[in-house]
Amino acid sequence: AQTVTQSQPEMSVQEAETVTLSCTYDTSENNYYLFWYKQPPSRQMILVIRQEAYKQQNATENRFSVNFQKAAKSFSLKISDSQLGDTAMYFCAFMKPRDDKIIFGKGTRLHILP
Amino acid sequence: EPEVTQTPSHQVTQMGQEVILRCVPISNHLYFYWYRQILGQKVEFLVSFYNNEISEKSEIFDDQFSVERPDGSNFTLKIRSTKLEDSAMYFCASSEAMGRWGSPLHFGNGTRLTVT
Repeated sequence: AQTVTQSQPEMSVQEAETVTLSCTYDTSENNYYLFWYKQPPSRQMILVIRQEAYKQQNATENRFSVNFQKAAKSFSLKISDSQLGDTAMYFCAFMKPRDDKIIFGKGTRLHILP
Repeated sequence: EPEVTQTPSHQVTQMGQEVILRCVPISNHLYFYWYRQILGQKVEFLVSFYNNEISEKSEIFDDQFSVERPDGSNFTLKIRSTKLEDSAMYFCASSEAMGRWGSPLHFGNGTRLTVT
């Protein structure tokens, strides 16, 4: 069974700093999808970034980028120039192509301090 | 930007009562999902729905649960006889193409269900 582990329950950084959130996963699949979702206090789950396992190039979306290490089964999220609006719970998630379900990690609560 | 909307935002019900949670997916999306998040725990998949039928469901989604798309816009989750352990945040999601092919899911704000 696939599992997703986020080892940092909570983090705090100063505004404008760079922060990296860790995620590891376990699977025997060769092809799959990885996601980072953000859940701000408004509760909505917002897709931040998506990575396809067969693509070696790390995905980037503006200030958000990932470090995808397939052999190590690691998928960390880097937030550059962090902003107050980045304060949220961040979930790492996994999906394999033959399934409809996304498997989420327990989340990392990120606080951006002014 | 189009959004998935869920109503109500908070529902309180007594154990044994039936509840219906409502969702309006994004209009051109064809695939619909329900997830739940018990307080302090992981977000868990419940069910996926396409072409008016369930395409996949988890072991959580037992006979007490049902889903329906009663018209062209709403997607509902019904819990027939609620238990205390059904208390959770329930998220509806939709996607344009099949999620299993990596199509991103768009989530609503959730309905917090409290069973007393």
